Amino acid sequence: GAVVSQHPSWVICKSGTSVKIECRSLDFQATTMFWYRQFPKQSLMLMATSNEGSKATYEQGVEKDKFLINHASLTLSTLTVTSAHPEDSSFYICSAPDGGGGTYEQYFGPGTRLTVT
Amino acid sequence: GQQLNQSPQSMFIQEGEDVSMNCTSSSIFNTWLWYKQEPGEGPVLLIALYKAGELTSNGRLTAQFGITRKDSFLNISASIPSDVGIYFCAGQRSGGSNYKLTFGKGTLLTVNP
Repeated sequence: GAVVSQHPSWVICKSGTSVKIECRSLDFQATTMFWYRQFPKQSLMLMATSNEGSKATYEQGVEKDKFLINHASLTLSTLTVTSAHPEDSSFYICSAPDGGGGTYEQYFGPGTRLTVT
Repeated sequence: GQQLNQSPQSMFIQEGEDVSMNCTSSSIFNTWLWYKQEPGEGPVLLIALYKAGELTSNGRLTAQFGITRKDSFLNISASIPSDVGIYFCAGQRSGGSNYKLTFGKGTLLTVNP
């Protein structure tokens, strides 16, 4: 299957600072990528849809000024958590649909554990 | 947002037993996918289903796309300890560039050796 990577795999930052998380499709191109947030023992919550070359689409209740998304190329999307606070601590996961076979199954990255102190 | 109804929420089984879990929805999906997630990792795609009635296998895993397009099930045969994890179903309406997934709440599987 297709491979999606994330970097970093974990990060600890101080309250008030910003953190950037990268999501890359390694062996396919993705005009669309998705960013999720997951709390312990819960399902994935879609935060936003990242669109290559255009603005991201945010789900209801997600602050677009706090969670900045940039999809600058067909293989890279970044999520920047600005002015992070402890409540932003979570597991962030990206996914990308691989349309190579015409079926667009979504493949997930390994996730980024963010801890804000 | 919408979530699929996935059951059971958790299962505790003995090694060697078969497992069955399912997902239902009030609306139609064009694609059903089943993922497995282990602690601290992202979900891994197990099986993708594209047609109503489709039955697909991947090793000891078998999944079916319900005829009504509103449900799917996943079976795991002869479970082994490494099957432990959370299994998520996901529906996709996929049309044009909209490939959003709608997830179930997950089934936590524990296998006792």
